[in-house]
Amino acid sequence: GAVVSQHPSWVICKSGTSVKIECRSLDFQATTMFWYRQFPKQSLMLMATSNEGSKATYEQGVEKDKFLINHASLTLSTLTVTSAHPEDSSFYICSASQGPSPLHFGNGTRLTVT
Amino acid sequence: SQKIEQNSEALNIQEGKTATLTCNYTNYSPAYLQWYRQDPGRGPVFLLLIRENEKEKRKERLKVTFDTTLKQSLFHITASQPADSATYLCALGGNNDMRFGAGTRLTVKP
Repeated sequence: GAVVSQHPSWVICKSGTSVKIECRSLDFQATTMFWYRQFPKQSLMLMATSNEGSKATYEQGVEKDKFLINHASLTLSTLTVTSAHPEDSSFYICSASQGPSPLHFGNGTRLTVT
Repeated sequence: SQKIEQNSEALNIQEGKTATLTCNYTNYSPAYLQWYRQDPGRGPVFLLLIRENEKEKRKERLKVTFDTTLKQSLFHITASQPADSATYLCALGGNNDMRFGAGTRLTVKP
C-alpha cells in the first residue's frame, strides 16, 4: 500500500516553456504533499509543502511564481515549472503524507531544459 | 542554523560485513528520526523510524540507534549483501518540515 505515482518520469523541454509534473497518491488520501529538488550526489532540498485546498508554503529562496504548486484534491498535487531555463534542469521528487510519517515518495521526474 | 550531516559521502565494505552509517544533527529537537534508501534515478524508500524516547529499533538485518544527547543516529546493516548497495538518507523533522541529510552511498562488494 501507500503508493505515490509521479508523472512524467522524464521530460525534455525548450528554454522558456512550462512543464507540469503530477504527483498522485494511488491508494490513500494525502493530507500533505511535499516537493523536493535533487541535484546529482546532493541531498533532497525541500521546495514547498502543500496541503489540500490551501496555498503551498515555499521554502526560502524558492520562487513561488516560477514553481507553481496546486494541491487540488487529497490525491493529486501538481508542480508547474514556468518559463523553464537550463538551470532548472534537475530531479524533482514529490512525497505524500497521511499524517505522522513516514513519507511515501514518487519515483521522481528528470527535467532537462535545453 | 539547522544542519544534518551524514558522516561520509561513500562507504565501501565487503559482503557479509556490517555497514555502519552515521547521522549527526545540530539545532534540531526532532520527535523522531527516519532512514530512507534511495537507488539511482528513483525516489527514496522508507526503511525505519525511531522516536526520541527510543534508543534502538530493529527490522530484519537493519538496526537504528538514536542518541538525543549526542544528537546522533547510527544505522547498521548486518550481513551486508551487494543488493544493499544504495544511498542511505537520514531525515528529521515533522509532518510539515521533513529535511534530509546528503546521504551516504554504500557499496557492498562481493
